[in-house]
Amino acid sequence: AQTVTQSQPEMSVQEAETVTLSCTYDTSESNYYLFWYKQPPSRQMILVIRQEAYKQQNATENRFSVNFQKAAKSFSLKISDSQLGDTAMYFCAFMNGGGSEKLVFGKGTKLTVNP
Amino acid sequence: NAGVTQTPKFQVLKTGQSMTLQCAQDMNHEYMSWYRQDPGMGLRLIHYSVGAGITDQGEVPNGYNVSRSTTEDFPLRLLSAAPSQTSVYFCASTRQGHEQYFGPGTRLTVT
Repeated sequence: AQTVTQSQPEMSVQEAETVTLSCTYDTSESNYYLFWYKQPPSRQMILVIRQEAYKQQNATENRFSVNFQKAAKSFSLKISDSQLGDTAMYFCAFMNGGGSEKLVFGKGTKLTVNP
Repeated sequence: NAGVTQTPKFQVLKTGQSMTLQCAQDMNHEYMSWYRQDPGMGLRLIHYSVGAGITDQGEVPNGYNVSRSTTEDFPLRLLSAAPSQTSVYFCASTRQGHEQYFGPGTRLTVT
């Protein structure tokens, strides 16, 4: 069974600085997808970024980028120019490419951006 | 598009009561799922469906039933509520190989 580990339960960063959230996963599959979801206090789950395992290039969405190391099974999220609105829980998630579309989540990292 | 909708937003039940959490999506997605979120645990899969008439169990299915008679709807039934089912419940839908779209969640308290 796949597992996802987020080793940082809580992190904080100053506004405008850069922060990196860690995620590692365990799988024997070669075809899969990785995601970062953001959950603000409103509770809504919001997709931040998506990475397909067969793509070598790291995904980027505006201030958010990932460092995908397939051999090391590592998928970290970098947030540049942190903003107060980035304060949220961040979940790393794994999905097998086999067609069931089931997500396996890490336990989350609570990020606080300080003014 | 309304996306994924869930009702109710909040619910309090007594131990032993039954209820149905409703979930609907208007994006014609074939895949739908139910997750529960507990403090410090992330989200865990309860049941999922790969299309109308097809459902399967996830990681934590005990105490819950699902059915999928239409593409749009995927209700979750609690047969006999227990305090251990106090949680926040999320419904999600997706197309194959794409991100999941989540509903706003239902906070359920069982006393």
